Amino acid sequence: KQEVTQIPAALSVPEGENLVLNCSFTDSAIYNLQWFRQDPGKGLTSLLLIQSSQREQTSGRLNASLDKSSGRSTLYIAASQPGDSATYLCAVRLEIKAAGNKLTFGGGTRVLVKP
Amino acid sequence: NAGVTQTPKFRILKIGQSMTLQCTQDMNHNYMYWYRQDPGMGLKLIYYSVGAGITDKGEVPNGYNVSRSTTEDFPLRLELAAPSQTSVYFCASSTTGRSNQPQHFGDGTRLSIL
Repeated sequence: KQEVTQIPAALSVPEGENLVLNCSFTDSAIYNLQWFRQDPGKGLTSLLLIQSSQREQTSGRLNASLDKSSGRSTLYIAASQPGDSATYLCAVRLEIKAAGNKLTFGGGTRVLVKP
Repeated sequence: NAGVTQTPKFRILKIGQSMTLQCTQDMNHNYMYWYRQDPGMGLKLIYYSVGAGITDKGEVPNGYNVSRSTTEDFPLRLELAAPSQTSVYFCASSTTGRSNQPQHFGDGTRLSIL
């Protein structure tokens, strides 16, 4: 059974510092890995999706890396801003032929960027 | 750009009551999903559907039922509400399974069972 872990559960940094968020998974046979942002009382917004054949994806100040063999992904957020305060979740989709684009989620990292 | 719409946003139920959480999407996605999120935890899949008339169980289906009569709608039914079903429920949709497109989420329904 795929298990996804995110450590730490919470993180507080001063504005301007780079953020490093970690995600680990137990089954390396993944189809893709996604990073989501969740604001309080809101749904999830997809930030980056890394296909299993890719090593990283970038969007603006965000960069996500993927190491399938070690079962790890890292989300980097450069020059953090107070608006980056949110909960960040990673989710993996297994490479299986069965129907359904099912995701397994980590517990999330709650980030606070202090002005 | 409505995307995925969930109603209601909040609800309080008494133990033993029943209710239906509504979910509709306007992106013509074949795949739809229901998740629950408990405080401080990630999301767990309750049920999913790969198209109209086809549904299947996820990780935590007990106490819930679903139906998918149209591409747009995927309601989730609680028949006998229990305190353990207090949670935030999210509906999501995506294109067909072999794509690398992300799932799109609604804003959630916050449900309390007292």
